[in-house]
Amino acid sequence: LAKTTQPISMDSYEGQEVNITCSHNNIATNDYITWYQQFPSQGPRFIIQGYKTKVTNEVASLFIPADRKSSTLSLPRVSLSDTAVYYCLVGAYSGGGADGLTFGKGTHLIIQP
Amino acid sequence: NAGVTQTPKFRILKIGQSMTLQCTQDMNHNYMYWYRQDPGMGLKLIYYSVGAGITDKGEVPNGYNVSRSTTEDFPLRLELAAPSQTSVYFCASSYDQYSNSPLHFGNGTRLTVT
Repeated sequence: LAKTTQPISMDSYEGQEVNITCSHNNIATNDYITWYQQFPSQGPRFIIQGYKTKVTNEVASLFIPADRKSSTLSLPRVSLSDTAVYYCLVGAYSGGGADGLTFGKGTHLIIQP
Repeated sequence: NAGVTQTPKFRILKIGQSMTLQCTQDMNHNYMYWYRQDPGMGLKLIYYSVGAGITDKGEVPNGYNVSRSTTEDFPLRLELAAPSQTSVYFCASSYDQYSNSPLHFGNGTRLTVT
């Protein structure tokens, strides 16, 4: 089973800031939080990763509260090309199995003009 | 670098036929994975490998086989194809097993079994 919970879909408009929250109540001490973006007919693509507090790159920001039980992907000033499915993944293969490699259904973000 | 390359891009199989989906990576990653994605669904892990000669089952391994004879290649074999195996198949790789090693995906193979 996926270790994360995300909204199934979200709508927004061009130029707006979009925040997608992921819940991961059972996150382990060593787990990082990784977000991927997937366009139709393509494989998922790495966007951003973090462990705690805030991480920012040229594409997005990731906010992680102190208890690390959730995280929020923030996309500033979205455009139509940001319409995609966004997946939150916690952990990875960890010797005892591959639970951390399970992708949920993700969040289908639709940006309108 | 090409990253993760999958072939073929598309394939139509008849029920009962077999085929091999090819995956190769040029990043010298030890960890490789096969996922399937059904329409409107997330990705389900079929098999994974932690290095040459070592493979293990994921969430949905039935009807598939894998091998890992080299670091670069991780082919997925379908024996006796069934309509339930109609899906898009993605291969991925990562540098190591740690949580901060992101997955690199190929662009998928779209398989239809009729």
